[in-house]
Amino acid sequence: GENVEQHPSTLSVQEGDSAVIKCTYSDSASNYFPWYKQELGKRPQLIIDIRSNVGEKKDQRIAVTLNKTAKHFSLHITETQPEDSAVYFCAASTLSGGYNKLIFGAGTRLAVHP
Amino acid sequence: NAGVTQTPKFQVLKTGQSMTLQCAQDMNHNSMYWYRQDPGMGLRLIYYSASEGTTDKGEVPNGYNVSRLNKREFSLRLESAAPSQTSVYFCASSRGRGVEEAFFGQGTRLTVV
Repeated sequence: GENVEQHPSTLSVQEGDSAVIKCTYSDSASNYFPWYKQELGKRPQLIIDIRSNVGEKKDQRIAVTLNKTAKHFSLHITETQPEDSAVYFCAASTLSGGYNKLIFGAGTRLAVHP
Repeated sequence: NAGVTQTPKFQVLKTGQSMTLQCAQDMNHNSMYWYRQDPGMGLRLIYYSASEGTTDKGEVPNGYNVSRLNKREFSLRLESAAPSQTSVYFCASSRGRGVEEAFFGQGTRLTVV
């Protein structure tokens, strides 16, 4: 079945620095790759996603890149701020039989220090 | 527009007890999911329902059953709770036809003693 590996498990940066989180997936049929942010005690919420026909997508300070050949994708956060501190999850989805099944990575706890 | 609503928010069970976690969505979504979240393990898929009347196993289905009662509601049942089922449970939904954003409920924190 689909497997998603996420690294690093924890990441500590100074405010203003960049942060990069990397994920690899196993199912070559995966075609949708969302990133979720989960603040302490809250539900996961989508921050950005990318589909398999696109190599890069950017939304203000966050960007995602996808390398389908290597089966990996990355989240880039520039000019980090303390409010970026949270757990980030990558996920991969395969459309099968008309439905999509999202499999998540184990998460990265990002701490941004003022 | 409430989105995805789960009940209860907190629950403590004794080993061997049973309970049902309720989930309802008001977004007219086709697909619904149950995940469990454990420290260092991310979100693991327990069961999902691609559409009303269908359910299928995810990554960690053992010890759980589900019911897709109608298009809005998807319940998760623990028949005989075990301490290993102590976790935070999230229900989610998505439109379903095609790969799209999943919306999560607020979670249920379950402790089995």
